[in-house]
Amino acid sequence: GQNIDQPTEMTATEGAIVQINCTYQTSGFNGLFWYQQHAGEAPTFLSYNVLDGLEEKGRFSSFLSRSKGYSYLLLKELQMKDSASYLCAVTDSNYQLIWGAGTKLIIKP
Amino acid sequence: TAGITQAPTSQILAAGRSMTLRCTQDMRHNAMYWYRQDLGLGLRLIHYSNTAGTTGKGEVPDGYSVSRANTDDFPLTLASAVPSQTSVYFCASSEGRGQGADEQFFGPGTRLTVL
Repeated sequence: GQNIDQPTEMTATEGAIVQINCTYQTSGFNGLFWYQQHAGEAPTFLSYNVLDGLEEKGRFSSFLSRSKGYSYLLLKELQMKDSASYLCAVTDSNYQLIWGAGTKLIIKP
Repeated sequence: TAGITQAPTSQILAAGRSMTLRCTQDMRHNAMYWYRQDLGLGLRLIHYSNTAGTTGKGEVPDGYSVSRANTDDFPLTLASAVPSQTSVYFCASSEGRGQGADEQFFGPGTRLTVL
């Protein structure tokens, strides 16, 4: 079966750095997405990785290792507004998105 | 631009009744999707459409139907609602280039409660 695992919840301090991990087992791989979802709102796109390595975009970076079936989202200089759920999703061989359950990130002052 | 709109925002529905959730996008995207999101579970695909006039079944299609008469609209119908269909429903769209890099844009969601 297809499976995406990410921690259910993480807590971090304002101004710090946090790494949210995602491991996946899917039938084929055509890319990995990270989305942010604030409570009661729709998911919004953060990043896309299809090749191994690190993609940096401001305070957010996303890493992919296809051989390990592993990705992480790195958030630097945490702000209170970063409190949200972070969703990992993989495009499978049929170009369908398979979603993880999301990681709820709680930022404390 | 509005992006994707969904209606209604929320609804309480009696079991056995039918209902149509509306979704409209103004980005001229080819592909559209319906998901449900339940606590502790990832987004689950109900139905999708790669282009106007075509639809396909996702992971959890039972009890739902869709149509895609034109590019902009993608309504989701529950023919006879059951309590297990209580969920938050998101409509999404993407350019639909048929490649893995297609970012999906989401509507604000419809919160449905079936009693």
